[in-house]
Amino acid sequence: GENVEQHPSTLSVQEGDSAVIKCTYSDSASNYFPWYKQELGKRPQLIIDIRSNVGEKKDQRIAVTLNKTAKHFSLHITETQPEDSAVYFCAASIETSGSRLTFGEGTQLTVNP
Amino acid sequence: EAGVAQSPRYKIIEKRQSVAFWCNPISGHATLYWYQQILGQGPKLLIQFQNNGVVDDSQLPKDRFSAERLKGVDSTLKIQPAKLEDSAVYLCASSLFGYMNTDTQYFGPGTRLTVL
Repeated sequence: GENVEQHPSTLSVQEGDSAVIKCTYSDSASNYFPWYKQELGKRPQLIIDIRSNVGEKKDQRIAVTLNKTAKHFSLHITETQPEDSAVYFCAASIETSGSRLTFGEGTQLTVNP
Repeated sequence: EAGVAQSPRYKIIEKRQSVAFWCNPISGHATLYWYQQILGQGPKLLIQFQNNGVVDDSQLPKDRFSAERLKGVDSTLKIQPAKLEDSAVYLCASSLFGYMNTDTQYFGPGTRLTVL
């Protein structure tokens, strides 16, 4: 089955700096890659997603890039703010597996004021 | 729109006891998912329903876990008997269709289970 690895497990940045979180996946049939943000004690919320027919997608300060050849995708957050502090999860989904999401282990992002 | 609702939010039980969790998905959403999130890990799918039929339960420990979705709306997840390793947050999610893997999944707040 699909396996998703996520790095780093923790990331600390200064406010205003950029943050990058990387994920690799194992199954080349994966075609959908969402990113979820989970604040402490709260539900995971979708922040951005990308499909395999696109190489990059941006939404204000957040962007995701996908390299299908290398089977990795990354989340980029620019001009980080303290409210960006949370755990971020990447996930991958295979078109033929229904809609099961396979999640990475998560990255604890801390933005220091 | 109202989000996915779950109850209870917290539950503490002794090992070998039984426990049940309830989920109410977003109105009109055909697909419902139960995930298990162990502390420090990403969510892992336990079971997926399309309306009231099971689509994927390959990762559900069927000797102790069961789930049902009555009338294609609310769902309950039961553990009987519970083990220490079942301590986790149980997340329910729903999506509008679900037969397309690109359909957004919306998560509930979760139920935090502690097994002593």
